[in-house]
Amino acid sequence: QSALTQPRSVSGSPGQSVTISCTGTSSDVGGYNYVSWYQQHPGKAPKLMIYDVSKRPSGVPDRFSGSKSGNTASLTISGLQAEDEADYYCCSYAGSYTFDGVVFGGGTKLTVL
Amino acid sequence: QVQLQESGPGLVKPSETLSLTCAVSGYSISSGYYWGWIRQPPGKGLEWIGSIYHSGSTYYNPSLKSRVTISVDTSKNQFSLKLSSVTAADTAVYYCARLVLWTTYYFDYWGQGTLVTVSS
Repeated sequence: QSALTQPRSVSGSPGQSVTISCTGTSSDVGGYNYVSWYQQHPGKAPKLMIYDVSKRPSGVPDRFSGSKSGNTASLTISGLQAEDEADYYCCSYAGSYTFDGVVFGGGTKLTVL
Repeated sequence: QVQLQESGPGLVKPSETLSLTCAVSGYSISSGYYWGWIRQPPGKGLEWIGSIYHSGSTYYNPSLKSRVTISVDTSKNQFSLKLSSVTAADTAVYYCARLVLWTTYYFDYWGQGTLVTVSS
């Protein structure tokens, strides 16, 4: 099972919006509404930001939103803040004849200019 | 509040077996959920290693399956990872996490991670 495809980096100014894409296949992103997104600051553990494509855990600002179209999921961060600068990873359940588990994206570095 | 804490040797020799334990507090493993291991090589992305249910049912990443064993000890409220025949490519920060599934699928609580270096 191949890793999901994310852009290596994105950037935006404070107050702007950015969108991070995550492309998979019909065996993972396209086949299930089990996409989650994680934020990781340097030297820290990943933090759950979005699950089930578009649901936000308690405590995550509503500036973070998720969506999916076909085999591509997206994370949008609106009203960028300096603290949003971090790496972001998408994740999906993947099920096929040869694989039953989890696949991550390669990660996207968000820079707040 | 659920907390997870990884522990184990920070340095393992090539060809030997990497062994880590994840101690869970604030929640009883026997009450449910799956529990997983994820790793992150320095400067790289996340890779799922495998997951285990409190009953002992396991799912492994096929790319690592031949070398991985995940086990659970409900009496100590912890679960463990063994990765055999390690090479430098297994050098990574290893995270344990709680996996939420059944009509959903995501990791909600993570340990802080522990760096394991494979070197002679």
